[in-house]
Order: sequence, then structure tokens, then C-alpha cells
Amino acid sequence: EIVLTQSPGTLSLSPGERATLSCRASQSVSSGFLAWYQQKPGQAPRLLIYGASSRATGIPDRFSGSGSGTDFTLTISRLEPEDFAVYYCQQYRSSPTFGPGTKVDIK
Amino acid sequence: QVQLVESGGGLVKPGGSLRLSCAASGFTFSDYYMTWIRQAPGKGLEWISYITSSGSTIYSADSVKGRFTISRDNAKNSLFLQMNSLRAEDTAVYYCARGPADFGDYDYWGQGTLVTVSS
Repeated sequence: EIVLTQSPGTLSLSPGERATLSCRASQSVSSGFLAWYQQKPGQAPRLLIYGASSRATGIPDRFSGSGSGTDFTLTISRLEPEDFAVYYCQQYRSSPTFGPGTKVDIK
Repeated sequence: QVQLVESGGGLVKPGGSLRLSCAASGFTFSDYYMTWIRQAPGKGLEWISYITSSGSTIYSADSVKGRFTISRDNAKNSLFLQMNSLRAEDTAVYYCARGPADFGDYDYWGQGTLVTVSS
């Protein structure tokens, strides 16, 4: 099983700042089978990024994904008030697994 | 628009059974793989099981293998999860999700249904 580690656990930032979230895999995630999701309290996760760097339908361009192999990054260029949430990465090289999440909260 | 609506959650005693349903609309259900994913209270996401578009192949996590069974009825645009021998650690919100898609992602999720296993 591929284990995903996300850092930091919590990121405290102000609206308008840049957020950089990291996801590291215990083995290579081939062909960019890496996705990012946003989850707000009481809501289902929402797909943000698939294939490591492609934005899902309707996702603003302030969200971007990058990386390959074992190291992946989600960047939010300028935080909007609605972006404060928990973010999960997910791999699908083999049995699907999710990272533990990074909480982005208001500083 | 794509909609996934789960139902069937509730309180059940350890060792009991429950059947979850997910009603799909807004897309051609029979064209897509479907998946169940759960989230224990205050915890992260755990993939449970997926089923191919035709229903011919299923794949489940070790944590539920032999106890949970995923199935689908393409004529009724519905996905199911039969849960037997329930344990306290199965307590979670259960989401149905469309996918895995071409890159292994889940592009639409239901709102979830809460299953509580407690005596």
C-alpha cells in the first residue's frame, strides 16, 4: 500500500496570501495518478486537481497542482475566504489511498 | 447536473447489518465505475470498494473484505453497499463517489450517510 504524507498538518494564513501544500508518497505514483480534494466542515470532498496538474471542472485558476514521482504540491496563489478548508491528496497507482489532510485556517 | 444521493445509514448494534443505497442522476450511470469511501468522525478519508461499470468486477479494501459487498443496478441508476458483521470501527460517514476516472480520481461525491455502530 502506498502511504501518503501531507505537510504541514495545519497552515495558518491570511486572505490574499499564497498557500503551498505538500504531499509525499512512500512509492512512486506512476503516470500522475494523484488528485487533490477540498473539504469544508459538514460537506463532501470536492475534486480540485486530477492527473497531478489538471484542474477539475469549475475550479478557479488560483488552484494549481504540480509534481511527479513521489513529491506533489498544491498551490493556492491568493487565498480567498472560501478557500479555508481541509485539503487531501489521493493516489491511484494501486489500491487507492488518501493523505491525512492539511488544514488551511485563518491566521 | 450530476447528483448522488446516499441513504440507509443509521444506528446499528455490533455484529448487525445495514444496506446503503446511492441514487444517481444527471449522467449515464452505466458508463461509470462507482466507489464507496468512508470518513470516521474527525478523521480522514478511507477508500472502501469500487465496482466496474458493468458490475462484473469489484475490488474492496482489506478492512472490509468478506464483510461488505458493493453492487449496482444499472437499470435503476443505483449503487449499493451491503454491510455485515459491523464493528464499532465501521462508524463513519459513507460517501458514494463517481469513479475512479481516467486518472484514478473521484469527480462527484454524494453528501454522505452516517453509520453508527454502537450497543
